[in-house]
Amino acid sequence: GESVGLHLPTLSVQEGDNSIINCAYSNSASDYFIWYKQESGKGPQFIIDIRSNMDKRQGQRVTVLLNKTVKHLSLQIAATQPGDSAVYFCAEPRRGSQGNLIFGKGTKLSVKP
Amino acid sequence: NAGVMQNPRHLVRRRGQEARLRCSPMKGHSHVYWYRQLPEEGLKFMVYLQKENIIDESGMPKERFSAEFPKEGPSILRIQQVVRGDSAAYFCASSYSGESYNEQFFGPGTRLTVL
Repeated sequence: GESVGLHLPTLSVQEGDNSIINCAYSNSASDYFIWYKQESGKGPQFIIDIRSNMDKRQGQRVTVLLNKTVKHLSLQIAATQPGDSAVYFCAEPRRGSQGNLIFGKGTKLSVKP
Repeated sequence: NAGVMQNPRHLVRRRGQEARLRCSPMKGHSHVYWYRQLPEEGLKFMVYLQKENIIDESGMPKERFSAEFPKEGPSILRIQQVVRGDSAAYFCASSYSGESYNEQFFGPGTRLTVL
């Protein structure tokens, strides 16, 4: 069935280090994924997306990698800063729906100064 | 250039009362989505609306919950006879079109507490 899940619920990194947040999905036909950042008390904020015809996409300090063979994607944050502390969700559109996003449970990233 | 607005930000209701949550989409957006988030969980889709139409309500409980997006004014998520299990954060998102690849912009949420 359709599901998007995360490997680790929490991740603690030192400021300046790189962070890697992982996500697994079960539907091999999934063709679009989005990463959201949610700070405490706020709504999710779009970070970066990737379509299945790509293996990698880069943004400002963030990179998303997609491995379709093992149905896994990751979000890499370079030089992690205190402002990156948040919960990160991967999401994908539910097949056969319009705009119905399925969210994973989330990984809480804590950045130690 | 206001983003998605939701009000109230916090709402407290006693069991059996009604809760009305409002969402004003971004300017130029005619597609609205409602999601519910329980503590320590991801967001769960509830309903997708366009102006005056419900497109997909597959995630919304059949009883006590309703949603509308009138021609004029904000989208409303209405919960009748609230129970403690309705306590959650309710997020509204809007998009320019309904295509899957179209980015959804989220509001700050309404945190509903049922006593």
